[in-house]
Amino acid sequence: AQSVTQPDIHITVSEGASLELRCNYSYGATPYLFWYVQSPGQGLQLLLKYFSGDTLVQGIKGFEAEFKRSQSSFNLRKPSVHWSDAAEYFCAVGPNLYNNNDMRFGAGTRLTVKP
Amino acid sequence: DGGITQSPKYLFRKEGQNVTLSCEQNLNHDAMYWYRQDPGQGLRLIYYSQIVNDFQKGDIAEGYSVSREKKESFPLTVTSAQKNPTAFYLCATRNTGDPYGNTIYFGEGSWLTVV
Repeated sequence: AQSVTQPDIHITVSEGASLELRCNYSYGATPYLFWYVQSPGQGLQLLLKYFSGDTLVQGIKGFEAEFKRSQSSFNLRKPSVHWSDAAEYFCAVGPNLYNNNDMRFGAGTRLTVKP
Repeated sequence: DGGITQSPKYLFRKEGQNVTLSCEQNLNHDAMYWYRQDPGQGLRLIYYSQIVNDFQKGDIAEGYSVSREKKESFPLTVTSAQKNPTAFYLCATRNTGDPYGNTIYFGEGSWLTVV
C-alpha cells in the first residue's frame, strides 16, 4: 500500500531564509506526487505535482520540488521564504491510471516564519 | 464560479443527533471524496465515489454515510454512531479523465463540533 512520511511536524524559518520540507513515499509503481498548502481553517491548495518527465517541478508561489526515485523522496523547496508562506504543508502520493485507490497524505508540516 | 462548495462552514451538533454536510461541485468531475482532518493526523479518507450511484468506504467509514444520486453532489451524514465526530471535514473532487496527474481539488471545509 502506498504511504507518505513527512518527518518534520513543525519547522521555523526566518523570513528571507531558504526552506526545504521533506517528504518520503512508499509506492510500488511510478508515483504521482503532490504538495498541497493549507492556511488555517481553509481547504488545501495545490502547489505542484509530479507525474513524469523532468524531476524538478516548478509550482506556484515560487515553490519547487525534486523527485528522487533512488531516495523515494519528493522534497519541497523555496529559496526565500515570505511571511505569507506560514501554513501547513502536505505531501501526497496519488492514484494513477491503473489504481482507483485514493490519494494518501502525509501528516503535514507546519511552517512558522519569523520576522 | 467554478469549484467545490461545502456547507455549512460551521456546524454544532448535540450528542445523539445526525447531521449532514453538503458538498456540491460544478467542475464536472466524476470522482468525489470526503476526508476528515484532525490536528497532527493529516487527512483520513472517509468515503469516495467514482461514479454516480456508487461509493466505497475509506479508512474510517464507521459512523458515517454518504449518497451519490447526482454527479454534482456528495453529501456526508455524520451519524450518532460516530464516537468522536468533532473535526474538520473536507470534500474533494478528481477528474478521472485527466491522464496527467489525477489531481484532487478541495473545498474550503466544514467544521463540526459536538456539544
